[in-house]
Amino acid sequence: GAGVSQSPSNKVTEKGKDVELRCDPISGHTALYWYRQSLGQGLEFLIYFQGNSAPDKSGLPSDRFSAERTGGSVSTLTIQRTQQEDSAVYLCASSLAAASQLYEQYFGPGTRLTVT
Amino acid sequence: QKEVEQDPGPLSVPEGAIVSLNCTYSNSAFQYFMWYRQYSRKGPELLMYTYSSGNKEDGRFTAQVDKSSKYISLFIRDSQPSDSATYLCAMTRINTNAGKSTFGDGTTLTVKP
Repeated sequence: GAGVSQSPSNKVTEKGKDVELRCDPISGHTALYWYRQSLGQGLEFLIYFQGNSAPDKSGLPSDRFSAERTGGSVSTLTIQRTQQEDSAVYLCASSLAAASQLYEQYFGPGTRLTVT
Repeated sequence: QKEVEQDPGPLSVPEGAIVSLNCTYSNSAFQYFMWYRQYSRKGPELLMYTYSSGNKEDGRFTAQVDKSSKYISLFIRDSQPSDSATYLCAMTRINTNAGKSTFGDGTTLTVKP
């Protein structure tokens, strides 16, 4: 079946502009995660959704970052007034909600964001 | 200090070699341990996950966890050029921040034919 999809695959934006990144999880996966990966680095957790609610937003780096999820499916990560340090690959993952399967996260290909 | 430290690499081995990839962690609350493989410009792909100390084998891959030493390893036997990728270890606490994983920085492996 279809995996996790993300759009756009690449985004170049000017400093100060807002961007929206989209994630479409695997059908039936109720848990959804956003991570950020800077060049040569591991993944940095941003936010976790269970259904449409976000029990853990602890990784959002500033109030310029926000995310929402509607219909228990598609999620959008919004970055306002982008800064150069926001340049990174933004990865989305999803998993089934069952306890033993929450840790089996399936990742999308990522959105490569470049802020000039 | 990072909660998860991973041997930085890069690592270059000849085809057929046994590869050892290693991570250490500082937080004893981590209970679930995963290894991901990430090809260039792709998202990470879950290779193996384990909950308990000891070894878990899957084909040419063996995941090893030593909770007393806070040390995990991934062994790749008979390595192939197609194994060339970045390998990320990841860990999760159970029952809190469910599913939120803390990742190592990755080790880039090149297997030369």
